[in-house]
Amino acid sequence: KAGVTQTPRYLIKTRGQQVTLSCSPISGHRSVSWYQQTPGQGLQFLFEYFSETQRNKGNFPGRFSGRQFSNSRSEMNVSTLELGDSALYLCASTLTGIGADTQYFGPGTRLTVL
Amino acid sequence: GQNIDQPTEMTATEGAIVQINCTYQTSGFNGLFWYQQHAGEAPTFLSYNVLDGLEEKGRFSSFLSRSKGYSYLLLKELQMKDSASYLCAVILDSNYQLIWGAGTKLIIKP
Repeated sequence: KAGVTQTPRYLIKTRGQQVTLSCSPISGHRSVSWYQQTPGQGLQFLFEYFSETQRNKGNFPGRFSGRQFSNSRSEMNVSTLELGDSALYLCASTLTGIGADTQYFGPGTRLTVL
Repeated sequence: GQNIDQPTEMTATEGAIVQINCTYQTSGFNGLFWYQQHAGEAPTFLSYNVLDGLEEKGRFSSFLSRSKGYSYLLLKELQMKDSASYLCAVILDSNYQLIWGAGTKLIIKP
């Protein structure tokens, strides 16, 4: 069974631009969560989607948005990029996202904002 | 607020035993995960605890005390490949959201 895939793996943008990241979950998984990881900060939760609906949201500004498609693939968009948005963006999929469902992570997209 | 504390970095010797601690103060609790993350790679699942006590899985064991808000990951017979960051995460019972610690970077020396 294929794992979680994320595209692109690396991205360089300049301040003010916008970016879209993509995540394809493990086949059959319906929940996709997005995280931002920066050195020393750990994983910061962005949002979680289940069956095309945003079920949970972290404490990030409205510049960060996402969506999920009927095939469970998810995209994350960041508008008006800031230098502080430079980070590794990870997505994780689970079957239902409830209880002890193990999260399976993709390799991440490393975003650099210049 | 939600708070999870782990040591930032630990060093241990190949073949030895190391214990990585995690303390948490969260508004709810529905279990605790430990993940391993090698540099430049995605986190991978190690263990899950929801009841008090020790869960053993090969060279790795994880302990939980819900009353103390405390968990630890015990790694035995350390190997060089165990050099990685170890992440502790708590599941909130209100919405099943995961709250993550900043991770402990474990350095193994020969």
